[in-house]
Amino acid sequence: DIQMTQSPSSLSSSVGDRVTITCRASPGIGNYLNWYQQKPGKAPRLLIYAASNLQSGVPPRFSGSGSGTDFTLTISRLQPEDFATYYCQQSYSSLTFGGGTRVEIK
Amino acid sequence: QVQLQESGPGLVKPSETLSLTCTVSGGSVNRGTDYWAWIRQTPGKGLDWIGNLYHSGKTYYNPSLRSRVSTSVDTSKNQFSLNLRSVTAADTAVYFCARGIRIDGDHDGTIDWFDLWGQGTLVTVSS
Repeated sequence: DIQMTQSPSSLSSSVGDRVTITCRASPGIGNYLNWYQQKPGKAPRLLIYAASNLQSGVPPRFSGSGSGTDFTLTISRLQPEDFATYYCQQSYSSLTFGGGTRVEIK
Repeated sequence: QVQLQESGPGLVKPSETLSLTCTVSGGSVNRGTDYWAWIRQTPGKGLDWIGNLYHSGKTYYNPSLRSRVSTSVDTSKNQFSLNLRSVTAADTAVYFCARGIRIDGDHDGTIDWFDLWGQGTLVTVSS
C-alpha cells in the first residue's frame, strides 16, 4: 500500500504570506499526485494534477512540484478565499488521499 | 456546463444496503473520455475513494470495500448509482459522486484525478 503523509496537519498564516504544504509518499509514486482544496460544507476542488499542472480556472498563485516521494503545494501570496483544507491524492497504486492540511487565519 | 447531484436516503439501518444515485446534467453520462466515481468523507478518516465506473462497463473498486460495493449506469436517466451492502456505523459519511480523468503515466497504470464533484450527501447508518 502507498502511505500518504501530509504536513503540517494545520497551519496559521496571514493574508499575503507564502504557504507551503508537503505530501510525502512511501514508496515513491512518480508524478501520480494531485492536490485539492476543500472549504467547509463543500466538495473538494481540483487545483493541481499530475504533480505540477494547474487545473483550468485555478489562480496562478497555486503551484505544485515534486516527484517520487516528496511533493509540495505552494500558495505564493495567500488570499482570504484560500483559507481551507488541502488534500493530496495519489493514483499510483489504488487511489488514496492524504490526511489534509488545514490553513487557518493567523 | 456539466453538473453532478447526489440523491438518496439520508438514513440507512445497520446491515441494510445504502443506495445512492448521481444525476448528470448539462452533459451525457455516456461521454467517452472520462469516467465516474464515488468518494466518501468521514470526520475521522478523511476522504476515502470508493470506486470507479468506466464507460466500457468495467469497474475498479477500493479493495477494502470491494466485497460490498456495486455500481451501475442508467443511460435513459443520465444517472449512475452506488450500492453499498451490509452497512455499519462506520459507513456513516458524506458521499460524493465525481467525474474522473485519467492519462497514461510514465509507469504502469494511469494518473487519475477528479475534476468535477457533486455537492455531497450525508448518509447516516443508525437504527
